[in-house]
Amino acid sequence: NAGVMQNPRHLVRRRGQEARLRCSPMKGHSHVYWYRQLPEEGLKFMVYLQKENIIDESGMPKERFSAEFPKEGPSILRIQQVVRGDSAAYFCASSPTTFGGYTFGSGTRLTVV
Amino acid sequence: KNEVEQSPQNLTAQEGEFITINCSYSVGISALHWLQQHPGGGIVSLFMLSSGKKKHGRLIATINIQEKHSSLHITASHPRDSAVYICAVRRDTGNQFYFGTGTSLTVIP
Repeated sequence: NAGVMQNPRHLVRRRGQEARLRCSPMKGHSHVYWYRQLPEEGLKFMVYLQKENIIDESGMPKERFSAEFPKEGPSILRIQQVVRGDSAAYFCASSPTTFGGYTFGSGTRLTVV
Repeated sequence: KNEVEQSPQNLTAQEGEFITINCSYSVGISALHWLQQHPGGGIVSLFMLSSGKKKHGRLIATINIQEKHSSLHITASHPRDSAVYICAVRRDTGNQFYFGTGTSLTVIP
């Protein structure tokens, strides 16, 4: 399966811990997008990255959240000092170009206890 | 007010019925996507539209750019079509996507 791979599928963290979510885009895709889906809410854009560059992070909370997409390896969404309100499903999508061919991953469900 | 509005929020249909889900948006867009999300599951991209109409199997998506409106139709609905259908638009300026809150469809055998 050459789809977008996200891991882990489920992640439980205690308040104050760090959460690292990984997204491996489809082969040949150099554009990665992260979205958050809070319980009972719709998807919200967080950040758009190309290899080694953050293109648009206008949807990212200003504190505790960071994202990277290194030259080698998956894209990482990092949440420091997690709080209960960070509990959500985090999805990533990848595309080969800026405007087409999006494929979504199955998401990581983060629960903060 | 959300940039993307979907209707209805919830829809129950009998197997075999023709289903329509509507999406209206208020911003300039470069593309509109219809997505499908099964309970507890991932998201599948069904269509990407910038104009006109697309068909894939029993699914048809249309868009009217002037009216800022899109519809997703399902012909001969089946219980396996039960899912949340999400409309998403990409702004024509910048890289932002805006999502509707989804239409939860249940098809009863």
